[in-house]
Amino acid sequence: RKEVEQDPGPFNVPEGATVAFNCTYSNSASQSFFWYRQDCRKEPKLLMSVYSSGNEDGRFTAQLNRASQYISLLIRDSKLSDSATYLCVVNGDDYKLSFGAGTTVTVRA
Amino acid sequence: EPEVTQTPSHQVTQMGQEVILRCVPISNHLYFYWYRQILGQKVEFLVSFYNNEISEKSEIFDDQFSVERPDGSNFTLKIRSTKLEDSAMYFCASSEKGITAFFGQGTRLTVV
Repeated sequence: RKEVEQDPGPFNVPEGATVAFNCTYSNSASQSFFWYRQDCRKEPKLLMSVYSSGNEDGRFTAQLNRASQYISLLIRDSKLSDSATYLCVVNGDDYKLSFGAGTTVTVRA
Repeated sequence: EPEVTQTPSHQVTQMGQEVILRCVPISNHLYFYWYRQILGQKVEFLVSFYNNEISEKSEIFDDQFSVERPDGSNFTLKIRSTKLEDSAMYFCASSEKGITAFFGQGTRLTVV
């Protein structure tokens, strides 16, 4: 079983729409959880950390469900600039980040 | 804003040659990492480095690979004898406490 699994998409949404996607992780001892964003041929950039209580950062909302071992990201009021690949990243107790393969989101005008 | 810097941005090398990829982590960070991403594939962990030694390494990080922190600022990845399948984007990352990591812009390695 893969350490981190994501729906690859692509999710094609119009501007202003809401889009949501999940990822699952296999290691129940995982400590920290993140969403990174990656633009084509660029480095991963931290979008937000994910906390058990759920957290928001502007139009972005992340949720963590430890019991079911999944993480979600919701983007409200999508902008063209939100088009990217979103990487689910899990940090185990070995200080090693494990990446999902990414979910591609394309926002169209 | 502090950032991780990597050089060169692009390296072309012949198969069998040695390459050294260089990184300058964020100055107060203590944990350093190398990741790679083959075109069209996911980001893969290579190695983590803490307290002047390797703390974790993946199966990819075989005897052809080595890392070094030669001074207080640089962190290098050496590939001794490059193979075609080593062609990838190599990302350096650093972290203050081993939790949240920040990535450099990457070195695109092309082995011909």
